[in-house]
Amino acid sequence: AQKVTQAQTEISVVEKEDVTLDCVYETRDTTYYLFWYKQPPSGELVFLIRRNSFDEQNEISGRYSWNFQKSTSSFNFTITASQVVDSAVYFCALSATNTNAGKSTFGDGTTLTVKP
Amino acid sequence: DTAVSQTPKYLVTQMGNDKSIKCEQNLGHDTMYWYKQDSKKFLKIMFSYNNKELIINETVPNRFSPKSPDKAHLNLHINSLELGDSAVYFCASSRAWDRGYVDSPLHFGNGTRLTVT
Repeated sequence: AQKVTQAQTEISVVEKEDVTLDCVYETRDTTYYLFWYKQPPSGELVFLIRRNSFDEQNEISGRYSWNFQKSTSSFNFTITASQVVDSAVYFCALSATNTNAGKSTFGDGTTLTVKP
Repeated sequence: DTAVSQTPKYLVTQMGNDKSIKCEQNLGHDTMYWYKQDSKKFLKIMFSYNNKELIINETVPNRFSPKSPDKAHLNLHINSLELGDSAVYFCASSRAWDRGYVDSPLHFGNGTRLTVT
């Protein structure tokens, strides 16, 4: 069975602080993909990044960075110098090649509030 | 040129009524989904269609019936609406999982907020 755990239900920071959103996953598949999605207050769900199980390189995109560690089954997301516009619910998700007909399993989300 | 569009955006109705939500994607994807997001923001998959064929049917009451007339459309019909059906329903699409595109991210519609009174 697949499982994604986002232990932080809510995080509140002040603008310009750095913040890390945790994601821990479980799967028996050796080939799988991890995703982060953002849901701002306007409600839409937006894909941010994908990482496959064979690529443990960290990725940086502007103020966003992702740290994938297979040893700890984690795919954490860091926002540097947070801004009010980063306020959103962030979802981590997992899909595997051999299970669940490709269904993505979502974590319960972390609500990030960035205060001015 | 909206990628995944669903209508209506808001739906307010009374218990016992029947309602439908429509979804269309113009991305050329083979797989489409319905997700339900409850008041706590939890996202749960309801159904998935791959090339018009139902491939995922989670434990959803049979009052919910998806229909896919073609691979670009996936509609959701709900009979005998109940208070507990109030939620935001998201349609999504992705490239075909059965052709190895498990890495394909989901493209979501903007959601339909259903309120049952």
